[in-house]
Amino acid sequence: DTGVSQDPRHKITKRGQNVTFRCDPISEHNRLYWYRQTLGQGPEFLTYFQNEAQLEKSRLLSDRFSAERPKGSFSTLEIQRTEQGDSAMYLCASSSRDRLNTEAFFGQGTRLTVV
Amino acid sequence: KQEVTQIPAALSVPEGENLVLNCSFTDSAIYNLQWFRQDPGKGLTSLLLIQSSQREQTSGRLNASLDKSSGRSTLYIAASQPGDSATYLCAVKSEGNNDMRFGAGTRLTVKP
Repeated sequence: DTGVSQDPRHKITKRGQNVTFRCDPISEHNRLYWYRQTLGQGPEFLTYFQNEAQLEKSRLLSDRFSAERPKGSFSTLEIQRTEQGDSAMYLCASSSRDRLNTEAFFGQGTRLTVV
Repeated sequence: KQEVTQIPAALSVPEGENLVLNCSFTDSAIYNLQWFRQDPGKGLTSLLLIQSSQREQTSGRLNASLDKSSGRSTLYIAASQPGDSATYLCAVKSEGNNDMRFGAGTRLTVKP
């Protein structure tokens, strides 16, 4: 499978714990996005990478959230001191460097439950 | 700020019917619009991408149209099947922005 891969698929954690999610984009894609989706809503933008540079962060990304993309390949999203309000589906997407082909492809998501 | 609205929020149709899903956006300065399908508990599957210079795109039984000036897009599904049951999301990428803005989706149920 050469699509976007996310790990883990599900994560249950106790409030106050730290969690880290991983995203492996499509190999030739240099653009990578993180989104968060709560039940019944569309995904909301969190952050954007072009290669290894984090070029944009939403105000939804509080100081408890941090994202990295070392070497411009896979990306990680860490949430520190989790709160019940962090429970959501975390989605990763990637798209090509080609300005004429900007179709975004999503992974299967990581569902986080904070208890 | 771009706002994306999808109407209706839910739709139930008998198998075989043709149907139209609607998406509207407030800022016509868009780069592209993309339609996705999402099954319960799953990620998003890209269906169709329409660039701002295009009026429509077709893939199999799906046809998406774009009217930038009026801020509207429609997704037409022909001869619906129970396997089409899912939530359909539209997303708009505005000029000068890196992110996509999503609507809340239309939850489609096709009854056998």
